[in-house]
Amino acid sequence: EAGVAQSPRYKIIEKRQSVAFWCNPISGHATLYWYQQILGQGPKLLIQFQNNGVVDDSQLPKDRFSAERLKGVDSTLKIQPAKLEDSAVYLCASSPRLAGGTYNEQFFGPGTRLTVL
Amino acid sequence: QKEVEQNSGPLSVPEGAIASLNCTYSDRGSQSFFWYRQYSGKSPELIMFIYSNGDKEDGRFTAQLNKASQYVSLLIRDSQPSDSATYLCAVYSGGGADGLTFGKGTHLIIQP
Repeated sequence: EAGVAQSPRYKIIEKRQSVAFWCNPISGHATLYWYQQILGQGPKLLIQFQNNGVVDDSQLPKDRFSAERLKGVDSTLKIQPAKLEDSAVYLCASSPRLAGGTYNEQFFGPGTRLTVL
Repeated sequence: QKEVEQNSGPLSVPEGAIASLNCTYSDRGSQSFFWYRQYSGKSPELIMFIYSNGDKEDGRFTAQLNKASQYVSLLIRDSQPSDSATYLCAVYSGGGADGLTFGKGTHLIIQP
């Protein structure tokens, strides 16, 4: 079974530029998450999708971040314009369970390391 | 605000000894608890999950949960140099919005 795929793996941009990340979850996984992991910290949830609908985006900085999951499969996360503090690893995870289950096993992709200069 | 606390370390343990990693959480309604291992430059990898009070064993790993004390731990027996990594504790509170809340992680070093 193929894992969660993400691209690009690395991205370097200057502040105020735009950037987009792509994620392809494990086949059949209904729920998809984007996390931001700043160096030395644990991942922080940005947004959760179930199929192609948003379940939780309460921690997404909506003035600059946007995300979509068209057709309930692939997802893109965009930052526009980027700030220095956006430098982090952006992790995509997927889960076979629908939201609200007893537990929630999530599988992570390799991440995209973003550096904002 | 849900919080998960871990000692950032580094925690240094001799090879072959037991490594003990601890985690506390603030949301008393949390339902299940996860331990992820993260090697430098890699993504988190699930090691174990637990949702009932008590111990759960899987090979060299044992997860312990005490909901009354809001405390989770991970024991690694017969520690190997390959166990050197950052261990992330994550908490799931259930409900519709079910992203995990992570601690900052404990950096574990197994000394040969």
